[in-house]
Amino acid sequence: NAGVTQTPKFRVLKTGQSMTLLCAQDMNHEYMYWYRQDPGMGLRLIHYSVGEGTTAKGEVPDGYNVSRLKKQNFLLGLESAAPSQTSVYFCASSSLLANQETQYFGPGTRLLVL
Amino acid sequence: RKEVEQDPGPFNVPEGATVAFNCTYSNSASQSFFWYRQDCRKEPKLLMSVYSSGNEDGRFTAQLNRASQYISLLIRDSKLSDSATYLCVVTLDYGGSQGNLIFGKGTKLSVKP
Repeated sequence: NAGVTQTPKFRVLKTGQSMTLLCAQDMNHEYMYWYRQDPGMGLRLIHYSVGEGTTAKGEVPDGYNVSRLKKQNFLLGLESAAPSQTSVYFCASSSLLANQETQYFGPGTRLLVL
Repeated sequence: RKEVEQDPGPFNVPEGATVAFNCTYSNSASQSFFWYRQDCRKEPKLLMSVYSSGNEDGRFTAQLNRASQYISLLIRDSKLSDSATYLCVVTLDYGGSQGNLIFGKGTKLSVKP
């Protein structure tokens, strides 16, 4: 049981390049989330999904797109990377069952946009 | 006013000390409350949920005061391994799984020998 995994662990992009971050979970969780964490800002929600085929915007969605084609995977896309998107990106998942709302986080992806 | 506020610290304490962290939240509709722990360059992990009646887990005690919109975490007999950033987290809906998990910026704790 690997929990939540993220690939890649680290990436350097040039401004304008695109990339996709992959999140996978093997806990059969319905809900998945993408956060970014910046110094002095705390964790901020980018997008989230409450089930396969559904996504919704979080607090800071601009510049990002997501897809949830399979229940276990949640992809975060950057179509045209900007230096402001330099950050650590965390994926998380949680169950919809009552009293099991704990979010489990992946190890993070460190992205540097030059 | 920020939704979840914490003293950023750092709190530098000797081993064996008792340390308390405070957190305030602005939305009175907040339903669920948690403390997460985040080690340097690692992902956040749930430390404990916070219940209205207060709850304890070993050396850790969490308390909630809904009237004052205030949450606390007490760590007794601090260990070197307690060094981390502690994140106060609240949710707006009871389940907390609709993308409404609100994180504080965290309080950094450093326990020294």
